[in-house]
Amino acid sequence: QVQLQESGPGPVKPSETLSLTCIVSGGSVSSRSYYWSWIRQPPGKGLEWIGYIFYSGTTSYNPSLKSRVTISMDTSKNQFSLNVISVTAADTAVYYCARVPVVAVLYGYFFDHWGQGTLVTVSS
Amino acid sequence: DIQMTQSPSSLSASVGDRVTITCRASQSISTYLNWYQQKPGKAPKLLIYAASSLQSGVPSRFSGSGSGTDFTLTISGLQPEDFAAYYCQQSYSIPWTFGQGTRVEIK
Repeated sequence: QVQLQESGPGPVKPSETLSLTCIVSGGSVSSRSYYWSWIRQPPGKGLEWIGYIFYSGTTSYNPSLKSRVTISMDTSKNQFSLNVISVTAADTAVYYCARVPVVAVLYGYFFDHWGQGTLVTVSS
Repeated sequence: DIQMTQSPSSLSASVGDRVTITCRASQSISTYLNWYQQKPGKAPKLLIYAASSLQSGVPSRFSGSGSGTDFTLTISGLQPEDFAAYYCQQSYSIPWTFGQGTRVEIK
């Protein structure tokens, strides 16, 4: 059973960079069968998809965040990461990593396994 | 971006009730529509994918239907553990977007 676990340094100051890592166990980020994705949820609000990365390094981002976001992968550590630059209070949210099976033609894309989430607070 | 609108935003129901939640897309998304359940302080959990396919391990009282722009999630016989927030999500086009959520509360 695949498990995902987010980790990060905690609070971030405005204008700094938010960095998170998702460690994957019970599965491989090198698999051609999955995208690896980030989603966030501001406190008390809904869900926002941030982007994904494929084993090949191919990425796709939400245009609303694309200028500030980078998703990367470290296959040797079986993990993938999220960087968000120039953060503001609006970036305060619970950040989730999730797995997306690549079965698009038949079923589209959905998040079948999620990490437990990590709260990132942007505050001076 | 494709806008996803859920209704109602919240509802009160009793154990054993049949509950229906609606999700409407701002344009046709075929059947590229998924449903998630989220309990307080927890990650969302996939219930239904491709509009009507039940995710493995999800109780059969959950069902989904629809295509094009209009979709429904039905819970047939609400159980105490079903009180939660529910979100729809489209994957027809990037960016993948979610509905604003429907909170199912105890009457």
